[in-house]
Amino acid sequence: AQSVSQHNHHVILSEAASLELGCNYSYGGTVNLFWYVQYPGQHLQLLLKYFSGDPLVKGIKGFEAEFIKSKFSFNLRKPSVQWSDTAEYFCAVKGGNTPLVFGKGTRLSVIA
Amino acid sequence: GAVVSQHPSWVICKSGTSVKIECRSLDFQATTMFWYRQFPKQSLMLMATSNEGSKATYEQGVEKDKFLINHASLTLSTLTVTSAHPEDSSFYICSASKGGVYNEQFFGPGTRLTVL
Repeated sequence: AQSVSQHNHHVILSEAASLELGCNYSYGGTVNLFWYVQYPGQHLQLLLKYFSGDPLVKGIKGFEAEFIKSKFSFNLRKPSVQWSDTAEYFCAVKGGNTPLVFGKGTRLSVIA
Repeated sequence: GAVVSQHPSWVICKSGTSVKIECRSLDFQATTMFWYRQFPKQSLMLMATSNEGSKATYEQGVEKDKFLINHASLTLSTLTVTSAHPEDSSFYICSASKGGVYNEQFFGPGTRLTVL
C-alpha cells in the first residue's frame, strides 16, 4: 500500500517569500500525484495534479510542483506567497486502482 | 463540471441516535464514491470505498456495522452513523470518481457531526 509523508507540519512565511512544501511517497508502481488545498472553513480544492508527461506541473493560483521519480518526491512550490495562501495543504497519492491516500498536511500561515 | 454536494453540512445529535449523511454527484455519474473522516487539525483518513450497486469496501479498523454505506445510484451515496457516540464526532467528507483512466476524485464540502 502506498503512503505519503509531508515533512513540514506548520510553515510560517512573510508575504512575498518563496514557498516549498515537501512531499514524499512510497509506492512501487505508477502513481498519480495531487496537491489539495483547504482554506479555513472550506472544503478541499485541487491545486494541481500529475498523471504523466512533463514532471513540472503548473496549477492554479501560481502554484507548481515537480515530480522527481528517483526521489519519490512531489514538492509544491510558489515563488511569492500572499496572505490569501494561508491554508492547509495536502499531498495525495493514488497508485493503480487504489483510492487516494493523503499526507498529514502542512499548515501554511502567511503573515503580512 | 464535477460538483459533489453533501447534506447536511453540519448535524448535532444525541448519543445513541443514528445520523445519515448524503453525498451526491450533481453533474456527473460517479462509478465510485469514497468516504473520509477528518479529525481536527489532522489529515483525511479513508473509511470506505463504494461502487454503485455493490457492497462497500471498508478500511482496516472501520466498523462496517457502525458506518453503513449505501451507494444505491450513480449519483448518490449515503453514510449512516449508527448508535453515534461522542467519539464519532468528526468531519466526514465524501468524494466521487467518474472512473476511467484518470480516476480523479472530486470532493464534497464535508459534514461536521457533533454527538452530544
